[in-house]
Amino acid sequence: KAGVTQTPRYLIKTRGQQVTLSCSPISGHRSVSWYQQTPGQGLQFLFEYFSETQRNKGNFPGRFSGRQFSNSRSEMNVSTLELGDSALYLCASSLGQGAGNEQFFGPGTRLTVL
Amino acid sequence: GENVEQHPSTLSVQEGDSAVIKCTYSDSASNYFPWYKQELGKRPQLIIDIRSNVGEKKDQRIAVTLNKTAKHFSLHITETQPEDSAVYFCAASISGDSSYKLIFGSGTRLLVRP
Repeated sequence: KAGVTQTPRYLIKTRGQQVTLSCSPISGHRSVSWYQQTPGQGLQFLFEYFSETQRNKGNFPGRFSGRQFSNSRSEMNVSTLELGDSALYLCASSLGQGAGNEQFFGPGTRLTVL
Repeated sequence: GENVEQHPSTLSVQEGDSAVIKCTYSDSASNYFPWYKQELGKRPQLIIDIRSNVGEKKDQRIAVTLNKTAKHFSLHITETQPEDSAVYFCAASISGDSSYKLIFGSGTRLLVRP
């Protein structure tokens, strides 16, 4: 099976712009979670989607949003970009919902905000 | 609030020695504790996990222990090899009726000196 894929792999944006990142989970996986990884803050949970519904959300401002499509692919959007949004954005998919389902990570999208 | 503390932040050991990384979680409802290894420039990969109904789990040179009373869990790597050099993240899951999220520790950079 193909692994989790994310596009684009690299993005450079300027402050105030918005960005959309895409994640394609492993075939058959219905849960997709998003994380922000920065050197100072480590891996921080953004949100989780299952069957097109957001099931859980981390402590991020409303500028961060996401959605999941019927084929389980997910997108996350960041509006009004700030310098502090520069990070590696990782998505992870799992077969089912709930704790104990192994999460498989994608390669990430590295976002740089200038 | 939900928090996972991880120590040490860096660990340097001689090849063949053991390495121990410790984590403490705050939410007593956490019931799933995975450990991820992230090599430089690569995605995090699950190396071992443990559920709250088990006190210890081993997989070759890697073991994880869980003390629910103290809300501590630890990763033990024996007979370390240079290829074990990476950043290791612990995580604890917060499980709800229909969703869960992983709260990650801040990571431990392990260096195995040949």
